[in-house]
Amino acid sequence: SQQGEEDPQALSIQEGENATMNCSYKTSINNLQWYRQNSGRGLVHLILIRSNEREKHSGRLRVTLDTSKKSSSLLITASRAADTASYFCATDVQWNAGNMLTFGGGTRLMVKP
Amino acid sequence: KAGVTQTPRYLIKTRGQQVTLSCSPISGHRSVSWYQQTPGQGLQFLFEYFSETQRNKGNFPGRFSGRQFSNSRSEMNVSTLELGDSALYLCASAGGQETQYFGPGTRLLVL
Repeated sequence: SQQGEEDPQALSIQEGENATMNCSYKTSINNLQWYRQNSGRGLVHLILIRSNEREKHSGRLRVTLDTSKKSSSLLITASRAADTASYFCATDVQWNAGNMLTFGGGTRLMVKP
Repeated sequence: KAGVTQTPRYLIKTRGQQVTLSCSPISGHRSVSWYQQTPGQGLQFLFEYFSETQRNKGNFPGRFSGRQFSNSRSEMNVSTLELGDSALYLCASAGGQETQYFGPGTRLLVL
């Protein structure tokens, strides 16, 4: 079963607009990660935010984490057609016991030129 | 550094057969994890190997197994294939306990 849910399931925007995706999860986490997947290919790691962090930036990406609400959001600013992909949040609940990610259902983002 | 590689990239099998997929992690990474992705169930964790030992295991039947070699390369095996095993199988490697780097995946079709 999946740890979390992502909202919305699909998002369509125009190039240049901002895209916001949300992720909710159920249990305490060690960290939360966001990945991008293009057309059923491999996952590309975007950003990792630890449970003691509230916000993190990487280029046009901004991730927030609210552990009290068990939720995270990914903001892509000034979107480009190349950002068209599926975006997944994944939680790591293993504390010093290895790597085991639990993924949300993903948000399909379409950026129209 | 070269990324995670997976072979083969595509595979077609029939029900009842078995299949072996291979994953070569990023040089120096000792952790290799396997995930199954299907339209219905999404991305699900299969198992993780570290230093040739299975460290974590997901909720999959015993038909799914894996192993890791001394050079950290990993294989996963699925025996007695079922139609529902059709999926994209992703391998990921990690050097520590956090960021996992994924390979391009092996797309398995079971007929």
